[in-house]
Amino acid sequence: EAGVTQSPTHLIKTRGQQATLRCSPISGHTSVYWYQQALGLGLQFLLWYDEGEERNRGNFPPRFSGRQFPNYSSELNVNALELEDSALYLCASSYVDNQETQYFGPGTRLLVL
Amino acid sequence: QKEVEQDPGPLSVPEGAIVSLNCTYSNSAFQYFMWYRQYSRKGPELLMYTYSSGNKEDGRFTAQVDKSSKYISLFIRDSQPSDSATYLCAMSVSNYKLTFGKGTLLTVNP
Repeated sequence: EAGVTQSPTHLIKTRGQQATLRCSPISGHTSVYWYQQALGLGLQFLLWYDEGEERNRGNFPPRFSGRQFPNYSSELNVNALELEDSALYLCASSYVDNQETQYFGPGTRLLVL
Repeated sequence: QKEVEQDPGPLSVPEGAIVSLNCTYSNSAFQYFMWYRQYSRKGPELLMYTYSSGNKEDGRFTAQVDKSSKYISLFIRDSQPSDSATYLCAMSVSNYKLTFGKGTLLTVNP
């Protein structure tokens, strides 16, 4: 069974640009979660999508947004990039009735210069 | 006070040692407790999952939850160099949001 996949593996942007990160969940999982893992801060919950809808978001500004497609894959968009957005962005997926058991992808490492 | 506290280490042990990793938490509503292993430059891998208090064993790994003390532990027996990684504890109040500790960096020396 294929795991959660993410693309690209690395992304380099400059301040003010936009970044788009992509995630494909495990087959059968409808819930997709996005986390930010910044140096020294640990994993911080960003967004949760299920059945194409944003269900909840963490304490991040509105320039962090995303969407979930009919095939349950997801996209995270970060607008007006700031230096402190440099981090590993992790996507996880789960069954909607087993949200505590989340399986993570390898992440996208975003560097903002 | 942070919701989840985890000693960042680093922790260095010889091969074959018993490793003890711990987290404390402040939110008494947490009911689900997880341990993840994260190798360098990789995503976290779910190791253990426990509901409420008690022990759970899986091979060389044992997870313990003491809700009265708000304290969880992961024990690794007969540690191997391949266990060298960052170990993250995570907790949930039966919903979507996992709250993570910052992770403990473990090195097992051959």
